[in-house]
Amino acid sequence: GAVVSQHPSWVICKSGTSVKIECRSLDFQATTMFWYRQFPKQSLMLMATSNEGSKATYEQGVEKDKFLINHASLTLSTLTVTSAHPEDSSFYICSAEGLAGETQYFGPGTRLLVL
Amino acid sequence: QKEVEQNSGPLSVPEGAIASLNCTYSDRVSQSFFWYRQYSGKSPELIMSIYSNGDKEDGRFTAQLNKASQYVSLLIRDSQPSDSATYLCAVFLLYNQGGKLIFGQGTELSVKP
Repeated sequence: GAVVSQHPSWVICKSGTSVKIECRSLDFQATTMFWYRQFPKQSLMLMATSNEGSKATYEQGVEKDKFLINHASLTLSTLTVTSAHPEDSSFYICSAEGLAGETQYFGPGTRLLVL
Repeated sequence: QKEVEQNSGPLSVPEGAIASLNCTYSDRVSQSFFWYRQYSGKSPELIMSIYSNGDKEDGRFTAQLNKASQYVSLLIRDSQPSDSATYLCAVFLLYNQGGKLIFGQGTELSVKP
Protein backbone atom coordinates (compact mmCIF):
# COMPACT_ATOMS: atom_id res chain seq x y z
CA GLY A 1 0.00 0.00 0.00
CA ALA A 2 0.84 3.74 -0.04
CA VAL A 3 2.17 3.83 -3.59
CA VAL A 4 2.79 7.16 -5.25
CA SER A 5 3.58 7.51 -8.93
CA GLN A 6 5.01 10.38 -10.94
CA HIS A 7 4.94 11.05 -14.62
CA PRO A 8 7.10 11.60 -16.55
CA SER A 9 10.21 10.18 -14.94
CA TRP A 10 12.46 12.11 -17.29
CA VAL A 11 11.88 15.23 -19.31
CA ILE A 12 14.19 17.28 -21.50
CA CYS A 13 12.88 20.55 -22.83
CA LYS A 14 14.00 23.76 -24.45
CA SER A 15 14.36 26.94 -22.47
CA GLY A 16 11.12 28.91 -22.39
CA THR A 17 8.76 25.98 -22.61
CA SER A 18 6.43 24.73 -19.90
CA VAL A 19 6.57 21.29 -18.35
CA LYS A 20 3.82 19.52 -16.43
CA ILE A 21 4.58 16.82 -13.86
CA GLU A 22 1.85 14.58 -12.47
CA CYS A 23 1.79 13.01 -9.03
CA ARG A 24 -0.73 10.29 -8.23
CA SER A 25 -1.52 8.35 -5.10
CA LEU A 26 -2.43 4.93 -6.47
CA ASP A 27 -4.00 3.09 -3.58
CA PHE A 28 -5.04 5.78 -1.15
CA GLN A 29 -6.60 9.20 -1.14
CA ALA A 30 -4.36 12.11 -0.26
CA THR A 31 -5.85 15.42 0.72
CA THR A 32 -2.35 16.79 1.06
CA MET A 33 0.56 16.36 -1.31
CA PHE A 34 3.94 18.02 -1.25
CA TRP A 35 6.36 19.07 -3.97
CA TYR A 36 10.09 19.01 -3.36
CA ARG A 37 13.13 19.90 -5.42
CA GLN A 38 16.53 18.35 -4.96
CA PHE A 39 19.77 19.55 -6.51
CA PRO A 40 22.78 17.22 -6.71
CA LYS A 41 24.37 16.43 -3.36
CA GLN A 42 21.76 18.48 -1.52
CA SER A 43 18.79 17.56 0.62
CA LEU A 44 15.15 17.86 -0.31
CA MET A 45 13.79 21.38 -0.32
CA LEU A 46 10.06 21.75 0.11
CA MET A 47 8.59 23.93 -2.61
CA ALA A 48 4.91 23.87 -1.78
CA THR A 49 2.12 22.08 0.00
CA SER A 50 -0.77 21.09 -2.23
CA ASN A 51 -4.21 20.72 -0.70
CA GLU A 52 -7.11 19.18 -2.58
CA GLY A 53 -9.64 21.78 -3.60
CA SER A 54 -7.69 24.79 -2.39
CA LYS A 55 -4.71 26.90 -3.33
CA ALA A 56 -1.24 25.59 -2.71
CA THR A 57 0.91 27.00 0.05
CA TYR A 58 4.32 27.98 -1.26
CA GLU A 59 7.54 28.10 0.72
CA GLN A 60 9.43 31.34 0.98
CA GLY A 61 11.41 32.09 -2.15
CA VAL A 62 9.36 29.83 -4.44
CA GLU A 63 7.59 31.75 -7.22
CA LYS A 64 3.97 30.66 -7.33
CA ASP A 65 3.50 32.07 -10.83
CA LYS A 66 6.41 30.02 -12.12
CA PHE A 67 5.57 26.78 -10.36
CA LEU A 68 1.84 26.24 -10.82
CA ILE A 69 0.28 23.59 -8.64
CA ASN A 70 -3.14 22.07 -9.11
CA HIS A 71 -4.67 19.47 -6.80
CA ALA A 72 -7.97 18.79 -8.46
CA SER A 73 -8.70 15.40 -6.94
CA LEU A 74 -7.80 13.31 -3.93
CA THR A 75 -5.37 11.24 -6.00
CA LEU A 76 -3.77 13.74 -8.37
CA SER A 77 -1.61 16.81 -8.02
CA THR A 78 0.23 18.49 -10.86
CA LEU A 79 3.22 20.81 -10.92
CA THR A 80 3.74 22.95 -14.01
CA VAL A 81 7.09 24.62 -14.45
CA THR A 82 6.31 27.60 -16.65
CA SER A 83 8.87 29.19 -18.96
CA ALA A 84 11.53 26.79 -17.80
CA HIS A 85 15.15 27.89 -17.76
CA PRO A 86 18.37 25.88 -17.33
CA GLU A 87 18.53 26.80 -13.63
CA ASP A 88 15.21 24.96 -13.17
CA SER A 89 16.94 21.71 -14.08
CA SER A 90 16.60 19.53 -11.02
CA PHE A 91 15.04 16.41 -9.51
CA TYR A 92 11.41 17.11 -8.65
CA ILE A 93 9.82 14.77 -6.14
CA CYS A 94 6.26 14.68 -4.88
CA SER A 95 4.94 13.03 -1.77
CA ALA A 96 1.49 12.23 -0.49
CA GLU A 97 0.44 12.29 3.10
CA GLY A 98 -0.91 9.03 4.41
CA LEU A 99 -4.33 8.59 5.92
CA ALA A 100 -2.97 8.87 9.46
CA GLY A 101 -1.32 12.16 8.60
CA GLU A 102 2.30 13.21 9.00
CA THR A 103 3.87 10.20 7.28
CA GLN A 104 4.74 11.04 3.70
CA TYR A 105 5.17 8.56 0.89
CA PHE A 106 7.33 9.68 -1.98
CA GLY A 107 6.92 9.29 -5.70
CA PRO A 108 9.89 8.11 -7.77
CA GLY A 109 10.76 11.63 -8.86
CA THR A 110 11.02 13.46 -12.17
CA ARG A 111 14.33 14.59 -13.60
CA LEU A 112 13.99 17.82 -15.54
CA LEU A 113 16.72 19.02 -17.85
CA VAL A 114 16.21 22.39 -19.49
CA LEU A 115 18.49 23.07 -22.43
CA GLN B 1 21.02 26.95 13.65
CA LYS B 2 19.42 24.62 11.13
CA GLU B 3 16.12 23.08 12.13
CA VAL B 4 17.38 19.54 11.51
CA GLU B 5 21.07 18.73 11.53
CA GLN B 6 22.94 15.64 10.47
CA ASN B 7 26.58 14.88 9.82
CA SER B 8 26.95 14.73 6.07
CA GLY B 9 29.53 11.96 6.27
CA PRO B 10 30.50 9.89 4.49
CA LEU B 11 30.23 7.32 7.23
CA SER B 12 32.10 4.17 6.33
CA VAL B 13 31.58 0.88 8.16
CA PRO B 14 32.65 -2.67 7.37
CA GLU B 15 30.08 -5.25 6.41
CA GLY B 16 28.46 -6.80 9.45
CA ALA B 17 29.17 -3.85 11.73
CA ILE B 18 26.67 -1.51 13.37
CA ALA B 19 26.13 1.81 11.62
CA SER B 20 25.03 4.68 13.85
CA LEU B 21 23.38 7.72 12.29
CA ASN B 22 22.58 10.79 14.34
CA CYS B 23 20.26 13.75 14.03
CA THR B 24 19.44 16.77 16.18
CA TYR B 25 16.52 19.14 15.84
CA SER B 26 15.78 22.58 17.15
CA ASP B 27 12.00 22.71 17.62
CA ARG B 28 11.10 21.47 21.09
CA VAL B 29 7.44 20.91 20.25
CA SER B 30 8.15 18.43 17.45
CA GLN B 31 6.45 15.12 18.09
CA SER B 32 7.03 13.00 15.00
CA PHE B 33 10.32 11.88 13.55
CA PHE B 34 11.20 9.89 10.48
CA TRP B 35 14.15 8.20 8.85
CA TYR B 36 14.23 7.89 5.09
CA ARG B 37 16.77 6.11 2.92
CA GLN B 38 17.70 7.53 -0.47
CA TYR B 39 19.74 5.62 -3.00
CA SER B 40 21.67 7.65 -5.53
CA GLY B 41 19.36 8.92 -8.24
CA LYS B 42 16.24 7.67 -6.49
CA SER B 43 13.59 9.24 -4.30
CA PRO B 44 13.47 8.70 -0.52
CA GLU B 45 11.82 5.65 0.97
CA LEU B 46 10.51 5.49 4.52
CA ILE B 47 12.43 3.26 6.90
CA MET B 48 11.15 4.16 10.33
CA SER B 49 8.92 6.55 12.18
CA ILE B 50 9.16 7.23 15.90
CA TYR B 51 6.98 9.31 18.17
CA SER B 52 7.84 8.35 21.75
CA ASN B 53 11.03 8.52 23.77
CA GLY B 54 13.06 5.34 23.74
CA ASP B 55 13.84 2.72 21.15
CA LYS B 56 11.80 1.34 18.29
CA GLU B 57 13.05 -1.74 16.50
CA ASP B 58 12.17 -3.04 13.05
CA GLY B 59 14.34 -5.86 11.79
CA ARG B 60 17.93 -4.67 11.58
CA PHE B 61 16.91 -1.06 12.19
CA THR B 62 16.48 0.63 15.56
CA ALA B 63 15.37 4.22 15.94
CA GLN B 64 16.11 6.01 19.18
CA LEU B 65 14.44 9.21 20.35
CA ASN B 66 15.39 11.50 23.22
CA LYS B 67 13.10 14.51 23.24
CA ALA B 68 14.84 16.12 26.21
CA SER B 69 18.09 16.19 24.26
CA GLN B 70 16.30 16.83 20.94
CA TYR B 71 18.14 13.92 19.46
CA VAL B 72 17.08 11.06 17.23
CA SER B 73 19.28 8.29 15.90
CA LEU B 74 19.15 5.27 13.63
CA LEU B 75 21.14 2.12 14.24
CA ILE B 76 21.63 -0.42 11.48
CA ARG B 77 22.79 -3.80 12.73
CA ASP B 78 24.68 -6.30 10.58
CA SER B 79 25.25 -3.64 7.93
CA GLN B 80 25.19 -4.84 4.34
CA PRO B 81 26.64 -3.27 1.20
CA SER B 82 23.06 -2.80 0.03
CA ASP B 83 22.56 -0.41 2.97
CA SER B 84 24.95 2.03 1.29
CA ALA B 85 22.82 5.10 0.68
CA THR B 86 22.06 8.54 2.05
CA TYR B 87 19.92 8.51 5.18
CA LEU B 88 17.63 11.47 5.73
CA CYS B 89 16.30 12.46 9.11
CA ALA B 90 12.97 14.31 8.98
CA VAL B 91 11.01 16.13 11.65
CA PHE B 92 7.34 16.93 11.33
CA LEU B 93 6.52 20.52 12.19
CA LEU B 94 3.03 21.80 12.84
CA TYR B 95 2.10 25.31 11.89
CA ASN B 96 -1.18 27.16 11.70
CA GLN B 97 -1.91 26.08 8.13
CA GLY B 98 -1.02 22.45 8.57
CA GLY B 99 2.23 20.54 8.89
CA LYS B 100 5.33 19.74 6.93
CA LEU B 101 8.44 17.63 7.10
CA ILE B 102 11.77 19.33 7.55
CA PHE B 103 14.68 17.26 6.29
CA GLY B 104 18.25 17.20 7.42
CA GLN B 105 21.10 17.34 4.97
CA GLY B 106 21.41 13.58 5.00
CA THR B 107 24.25 11.26 6.04
CA GLU B 108 25.96 9.24 3.35
CA LEU B 109 26.62 5.69 4.52
CA SER B 110 29.09 3.40 2.82
CA VAL B 111 29.23 -0.27 3.86
CA LYS B 112 32.43 -1.92 2.69
CA PRO B 113 32.41 -5.65 1.83
